[in-house]
Amino acid sequence: ELKVEQNPLFLSMQEGKNYTIYCNYSTTSDRLYWYRQDPGKSLESLFVLLSNGAVKQEGRLMASLDTKARLSTLHITAAVHDLSATYFCAVASLRGSQGNLIFGKGTKLSVKP
Amino acid sequence: NAGVTQTPKFRILKIGQSMTLQCAQDMNHNYMYWYRQDPGMGLKLIYYSVGAGITDKGEVPNGYNVSRSTTEDFPLRLELAAPSQTSVYFCASSYYIAGGQTYEQYFGPGTRLTVT
Repeated sequence: ELKVEQNPLFLSMQEGKNYTIYCNYSTTSDRLYWYRQDPGKSLESLFVLLSNGAVKQEGRLMASLDTKARLSTLHITAAVHDLSATYFCAVASLRGSQGNLIFGKGTKLSVKP
Repeated sequence: NAGVTQTPKFRILKIGQSMTLQCAQDMNHNYMYWYRQDPGMGLKLIYYSVGAGITDKGEVPNGYNVSRSTTEDFPLRLELAAPSQTSVYFCASSYYIAGGQTYEQYFGPGTRLTVT
């Protein structure tokens, strides 16, 4: 059974600082997703990572995937208040299918001035 | 495009009542999904569909039913509502062909359901 663990679950950062959120998963998978959720809102897709060594960047966020270590990271560079949100990773539990995604519990990020 | 739409936005049910949560997408996506999100938790997949007429169970299907008669619509039926079904329900859709490019999931705004 695929398990997905994120850490930390809560993260309080100062503006301008860098930090990394980690997403570990327990069995082999061929795709990993990162999402952002603002309080009381729906989810917004950030990145889809498909292969070992994949790296994607959007603004101050950079996601990477190491399939051998079963680890994805979401790196935040020079955090700003607008990045405050909850970030989820999700892993596909079936190869060749987008059907069954298993989500982590989320990392609640708070960026303070 | 409206994207993924869900109705209603909020609903209060009494124990034992039934209801249908509606979900529609206008992006011609083949995959559609129903998730539930409990407070402070990630999403758990209830059911998903890979196309009209084809559905499959996710992690937490008990107490729910789905059907997919068209590409656009994917309603979720709750039979005999229980307090444990109090949650926020999200519908999502995506386009995916095995061996082809993977596209992102688009989520609806959610339905907040309380069962008392």
